[in-house]
Amino acid sequence: NAGVTQTPKFQVLKTGQSMTLQCAQDMNHEYMSWYRQDPGMGLRLIHYSVGAGITDQGEVPNGYNVSRSTTEDFPLRLLSAAPSQTSVYFCASSDMTGGYTFGSGTRLTVV
Amino acid sequence: QQPVQSPQAVILREGEDAVINCSSSKALYSVHWYRQKHGEAPVFLMILLKGGEQKGHDKISASFNEKKQQSSLYLTASQLSYSGTYFCGTVSNSGYALNFGKGTSLLVTP
Repeated sequence: NAGVTQTPKFQVLKTGQSMTLQCAQDMNHEYMSWYRQDPGMGLRLIHYSVGAGITDQGEVPNGYNVSRSTTEDFPLRLLSAAPSQTSVYFCASSDMTGGYTFGSGTRLTVV
Repeated sequence: QQPVQSPQAVILREGEDAVINCSSSKALYSVHWYRQKHGEAPVFLMILLKGGEQKGHDKISASFNEKKQQSSLYLTASQLSYSGTYFCGTVSNSGYALNFGKGTSLLVTP
């Protein structure tokens, strides 16, 4: 039972490049979310989904896109990377009745 | 939308108690508590649902005052392993999003 799997663990991008952060869960959870974590700012919600085909914006959605074509996968796309998107990104999932299970995170640096 | 946590940081000696508070300006459906060790992902501690119930396991417990939109996390007889950053997360009555506070850094010293 893998839980929530995020790839890659580390990534360096140049300004303007695009990329997709992958997130997959094998717990059949309906809820999935993306957070970014910056020093002193806590965990800020980027986008979330309550089921396949349903997504919504969180607190800091600008510059990011998501889609949810299956229950298992919830990729996060950076359209045109900016230095302000340098952060640690966490994907998390939940069965709507309990707590969230977090992936191990992706440390992204944009230069 | 982020709930407000206090204090920002706490330093304890082993065996001492601590309380971490979380408040929201919105009517809440649930409150979550997580602990994060340095360089690791947050780990779920407990969830409290609307209804004012108090939960706990071992020496860590929490309460939820639905009318005041406030929750408190109680750590009693702290252990070295309790060190980390504690986050509260809230889900409002009007949505599904889980929003986190900025965290409380807890350091337990020998």
